[in-house]
Amino acid sequence: GNSVTQMEGPVTLSEEAFLTINCTYTATGYPSLFWYVQYPGEGLQLLLKATKADDKGSNKGFEATYRKETTSFHLEKGSVQVSDSAVYFCALRYSSASKIIFGSGTRLSIRP
Amino acid sequence: DSGVTQTPKHLITATGQRVTLRCSPRSGDLSVYWYQQSLDQGLQFLIQYYNGEERAKGNILERFSAQQFPDLHSELNLSSLELGDSALYFCASSQNPTGGGETQYFGPGTRLLVL
Repeated sequence: GNSVTQMEGPVTLSEEAFLTINCTYTATGYPSLFWYVQYPGEGLQLLLKATKADDKGSNKGFEATYRKETTSFHLEKGSVQVSDSAVYFCALRYSSASKIIFGSGTRLSIRP
Repeated sequence: DSGVTQTPKHLITATGQRVTLRCSPRSGDLSVYWYQQSLDQGLQFLIQYYNGEERAKGNILERFSAQQFPDLHSELNLSSLELGDSALYFCASSQNPTGGGETQYFGPGTRLLVL
């Protein structure tokens, strides 16, 4: 079936470090891919998305590229800040489907 | 602020009880989705309504039901509650019922604790 696998957390980094959170997916066809972020005590917010192969989504300094050949959508940021501490979810959705399929989430903590 | 509102924010109840969670979608959105976030199951899709009609069902238990009213707000009813129903319940909304790239906007969630 369709699924999303993310790297296990928690991930702890120092401020200004480079961030990568790995995400791979199993799916037939061409789903859209998303990264959602959940800040402490809040709901999910869409961080970025990509709807077709080789698309790059970007927002707030975060980037992810839809790689069909490796079925991956890794999240990267060049220099993290304390305010980036949150749980990050990789997800996919088909154009004909209602639901979003989420990964298990990766907790990110940034030390000052 | 996503524009999706959920009430109540927190709910504490006992096993066997019934509760109702409420969601108001963003203005103009016709589609409402319910998700459950628990420690063991992660984030799972429960059910979707579009313009008052049930559109899709996910991993929703028979003890749970939902509806969407003419003003487009939605309620999720959870009955015969068990300890394992303790979770964060999210509502999300979007304009259209499907669409891979379409954004679903999430509310802040209702945290349910069953004692």
